[in-house]
Amino acid sequence: ILMTQSPSSVSVSVGDRVTITCRATQDIRNWLAWYQQKPGTAPKLLIAGASSLLNGVPSRFSGSGSGTDFTLTISSLQPEDIATYYCQQSYSFPMTFGPGTKVEFK
Amino acid sequence: EVQLVESGGGLVQPGGSLRLSCGASEFAFSTYWMSWVRQAPGKGLEWVANLKLDGSEEFYVDSVKGRFTISRDNAKNLLYLQMNSLRVEDTAVYYCARARRGHNYGSYYFDYWGQGTLVTVSS
Repeated sequence: ILMTQSPSSVSVSVGDRVTITCRATQDIRNWLAWYQQKPGTAPKLLIAGASSLLNGVPSRFSGSGSGTDFTLTISSLQPEDIATYYCQQSYSFPMTFGPGTKVEFK
Repeated sequence: EVQLVESGGGLVQPGGSLRLSCGASEFAFSTYWMSWVRQAPGKGLEWVANLKLDGSEEFYVDSVKGRFTISRDNAKNLLYLQMNSLRVEDTAVYYCARARRGHNYGSYYFDYWGQGTLVTVSS
């Protein structure tokens, strides 16, 4: 299963609403995870099951979608949200990641 | 708090070998599948290998099959990745990650990650 993401990068300002799209080449139901990776650090799991926020993840993050099309939304971007975001399908083997979306300041 | 700490990375020549280790703490290591995920410099994430909780089943991405071996020592809370016949394209940060079950058997997502260890394959 191939995963694509759009956009590949986005320039934002504090307070902006940011939407990242992830698409799978076949139906993965809701077996989708979102990760945040800040420069020089390990990825951090934000959302599992397409929409379930992990404990401690700010409520400005949300995930939606099922089947082949998914979105990650940051409702009001904060400075600490500058990072690259990856989606990953865990529907079938082998697990595959999207290419990432880099969120950076204008 | 779950902790995963990798070690063993370094510079190795093409064709050489390296063994990575990952020490786990603050969770019941023997009850979780574990994985290695890598990231080439400036690139995205690539799953490398999974290992069943008792070490009885292993899964690999095609590009490392026959060259890499994942293993574990549940008595010591350690995960390993033995890497042989290394290629330039294996250059990456290697992350140890705790795996959570996905839909089909062998498919997982990753809820905790170590800080990573850099493997550089170069002459």
